[in-house]
Amino acid sequence: QKEVEQDPGPLSVPEGAIVSLNCTYSNSAFQYFMWYRQYSRKGPELLMYTYSSGNKEDGRFTAQVDKSSKYISLFIRDSQPSDSATYLCAISGAGSYQLTFGKGTKLSVIP
Amino acid sequence: ETGVTQTPRHLVMGMTNKKSLKCEQHLGHNAMYWYKQSAKKPLELMFVYNFKEQTENNSVPSRFSPECPNSSHLFLHLHTLQPEDSALYLCASSPLRDRAYEQYFGPGTRLTVT
Repeated sequence: QKEVEQDPGPLSVPEGAIVSLNCTYSNSAFQYFMWYRQYSRKGPELLMYTYSSGNKEDGRFTAQVDKSSKYISLFIRDSQPSDSATYLCAISGAGSYQLTFGKGTKLSVIP
Repeated sequence: ETGVTQTPRHLVMGMTNKKSLKCEQHLGHNAMYWYKQSAKKPLELMFVYNFKEQTENNSVPSRFSPECPNSSHLFLHLHTLQPEDSALYLCASSPLRDRAYEQYFGPGTRLTVT
């Protein structure tokens, strides 16, 4: 079983929709959960990270972690065409330098 | 624009060439990383440096040779590469090695080996 599973999509939504992006993971020792956004021909950009369980909100973005289900989510409210990108989840253990990445989900927001 | 820059942005090289990739971070971080990103595969960690010392070589072939002269600069020296080495090579930095959750990436070098 892969350590991090992420549906590659592509996912296409109309402008203004709520987007839900998800990853599952297998190792319960992971403590940090990150979401990156990667535009075409650019490097990944850190959107936010969450420690342990719970929610974290930053503007239109909300990250959610459910450690009991080993499931992490990123919600994007009022999606915009500028949100069109590939979204990568990544996880890490406490005190670790290793990030384990998902393959990324390609999102298109249609005007 | 991120605080991590990479040059060149694009590189085409033959299998017998020698070239180098450069990364510079302006964030005051002490840990730096090289990653490889291939199509339809997750990012693969290649090397980790912490305070200029290499702390991880993730079973990378010797045709890739990293160099970290100080905490702000990181190089990846390439020689006798194979076509399967064609990929996006990403540099990242974090405040400390054990704060990997705060890694910031550069724009990458798109490498094509012919």
